Amino acid sequence: SQQGEEDPQALSIQEGENATMNCSYKTSINNLQWYRQNSGRGLVHLILIRSNEREKHSGRLRVTLDTSKKSSSLLITASRAADTASYFCATDPNTGNQFYFGTGTSLTVIP
Amino acid sequence: GAGVSQSPSNKVTEKGKDVELRCDPISGHTALYWYRQSLGQGLEFLIYFQGNSAPDKSGLPSDRFSAERTGGSVSTLTIQRTQQEDSAVYLCASSLSAGVTEAFFGQGTRLTVV
Repeated sequence: SQQGEEDPQALSIQEGENATMNCSYKTSINNLQWYRQNSGRGLVHLILIRSNEREKHSGRLRVTLDTSKKSSSLLITASRAADTASYFCATDPNTGNQFYFGTGTSLTVIP
Repeated sequence: GAGVSQSPSNKVTEKGKDVELRCDPISGHTALYWYRQSLGQGLEFLIYFQGNSAPDKSGLPSDRFSAERTGGSVSTLTIQRTQQEDSAVYLCASSLSAGVTEAFFGQGTRLTVV
């Protein structure tokens, strides 16, 4: 399978704490994206990092990419209850243009 | 439209019946994707369309599944002779082009086979 895997599968933190999620993948990629899903329906794009980038920021989000380890991390700083959702990484492998999604991390932020 | 639209939002069907799921992508988006998500699981890639090129059907789980995209816009995913294991949320996404662009998702169709 070309799917990535997120780690941990579930994460529960207090509001105001930082949340870190990791993604590992198997093949060489063009880019990696992180998505958020509320209530098991549509996904919302958060951030895209290209294979030649190592770190990217967007508001309270920080993404890193280590292509030598085939891994990425998503850091959400100063978490809020509204950040409660499932987070998925998606890779765009060199072999094609479809996106392959990981298994997701379920984040719960406790008010 | 303003976003990706999927219909119906929910579908309950009897085992053995055929179903059609519809996806209206964002106008001008040439790439269209179908995914399936079982309860509490990740997204399983099904099929990908890019412009007028032959679709990538490598993710379709069986020959009961088929999809078409008419006029480079609306797409229909058809499941024939539905089985209980087909129950899932079917998600459609579109992007401006293939490659390094974000995908925009519809709200999905929740299919329940009874």
